[in-house]
Amino acid sequence: RKEVEQDPGPFNVPEGATVAFNCTYSNSASQSFFWYRQDCRKEPKLLMSVYSSGNEDGRFTAQLNRASQYISLLIRDSKLSDSATYLCAVNTHGFSGGGADGLTFGKGTHLIIQP
Amino acid sequence: GAVVSQHPSWVICKSGTSVKIECRSLDFQATTMFWYRQFPKQSLMLMATSNEGSKATYEQGVEKDKFLINHASLTLSTLTVTSAHPEDSSFYICSARSGDRGYEQYFGPGTRLTVT
Repeated sequence: RKEVEQDPGPFNVPEGATVAFNCTYSNSASQSFFWYRQDCRKEPKLLMSVYSSGNEDGRFTAQLNRASQYISLLIRDSKLSDSATYLCAVNTHGFSGGGADGLTFGKGTHLIIQP
Repeated sequence: GAVVSQHPSWVICKSGTSVKIECRSLDFQATTMFWYRQFPKQSLMLMATSNEGSKATYEQGVEKDKFLINHASLTLSTLTVTSAHPEDSSFYICSARSGDRGYEQYFGPGTRLTVT
């Protein structure tokens, strides 16, 4: 089982619609969770951190479900400029050895907003 | 805030040569920097983690003698791809994290390496 899994899409959504992505992670010791946005041939840009209580930033809402080991991202009133690949990232802290502090990324979900 | 730069943004080199990539945090001190690699249509894969003044920690399967990492200061880390081969062609991205900003990582714009 892959460490972080996402539906690759593409999700074709009309402008103004609401779209939701899920991401599952396999390591129950994971402690930090993030959503990044990546445009074609560009670096990932942090969209939002995901907290246990859930958090909202404008049209974007992120939720964490530790029991089921998944995080979600909801985009309301989607804009053409939201078209991108959305990456889920997970960080596991406090373990020795290589990679304890780096982010493990999913392959991303490709979103296309259509006019 | 939280700006990370990388240089060069793209490079083409011949097989067997070495290439150095610089990563700088411009407006904060990065206690930890990370190097990732992304092949086309693939996810970012962590290569190594480096803390200022100490040796980098490499992920399993990443050759430390081939990918040399130096984190000389709190604002600069370098990755040198030694004796590059065509299969090393990829998008190399660094990220930086400050202890003051929690566990959020901020990414540089990436370096596209093509080895011919």
